Amino acid sequence: QKEVEQNSGPLSVPEGAIASLNCTYSDRGSQSFFWYRQYSGKSPELIMFIYSNGDKEDGRFTAQLNKASQYVSLLIRDSQPSDSATYLCVREAGTALIFGKGTTLSVSS
Amino acid sequence: DAGITQSPRHKVTETGTPVTLRCHQTENHRYMYWYRQDPGHGLRLIHYSYGVKDTDKGEVSDGYSVSRSKTEDFLLTLESATSSQTSVYFCAIRGTGASPGSYNEQFFGPGTRLTVL
Repeated sequence: QKEVEQNSGPLSVPEGAIASLNCTYSDRGSQSFFWYRQYSGKSPELIMFIYSNGDKEDGRFTAQLNKASQYVSLLIRDSQPSDSATYLCVREAGTALIFGKGTTLSVSS
Repeated sequence: DAGITQSPRHKVTETGTPVTLRCHQTENHRYMYWYRQDPGHGLRLIHYSYGVKDTDKGEVSDGYSVSRSKTEDFLLTLESATSSQTSVYFCAIRGTGASPGSYNEQFFGPGTRLTVL
């Protein structure tokens, strides 16, 4: 199985800071990538997707994709305690999705 | 809210018993998926369906079967539950893919926590 690799964390940032979440992938054929947020005991929730090289912004979130380096990142600006969750980096694989194991983010007030 | 419900939400059963989990959607989506989530493994695909009576295996399909007799319902069956099948099970549907690059975005149900003793 071609993996999606994420640092498990925890990543700890103070309130108001920028949180940077990163992942790498091994399948150069992947076209689209997704970021999901999962609160403890809850189901994954789609934050955003990206399929073109470069940056994509949505509110406080910016996804970055570099297909040459096989690297995807998610930046969260002005981090809030409510952003504390596990963030899943996901690549599309035809009909299915391949999930990373997630990075736990902790935002302290 | 993608209109996905799962039942039961919690279940405790014993080794060797059959178990069926149900996923129900209200928005007529063609693709439905079953995942399991375990510590240290992340979400892994069990089976998926691309239409009524059309299903295929995922990464961890051994010990599981599925059925889809109606568009809105996708059933996951553990024929003889084992302790290794203790997990949280999520159902998902594929969205409409209206935006470029989003064709495989998936939306998840609330999950079923299954414990096999």
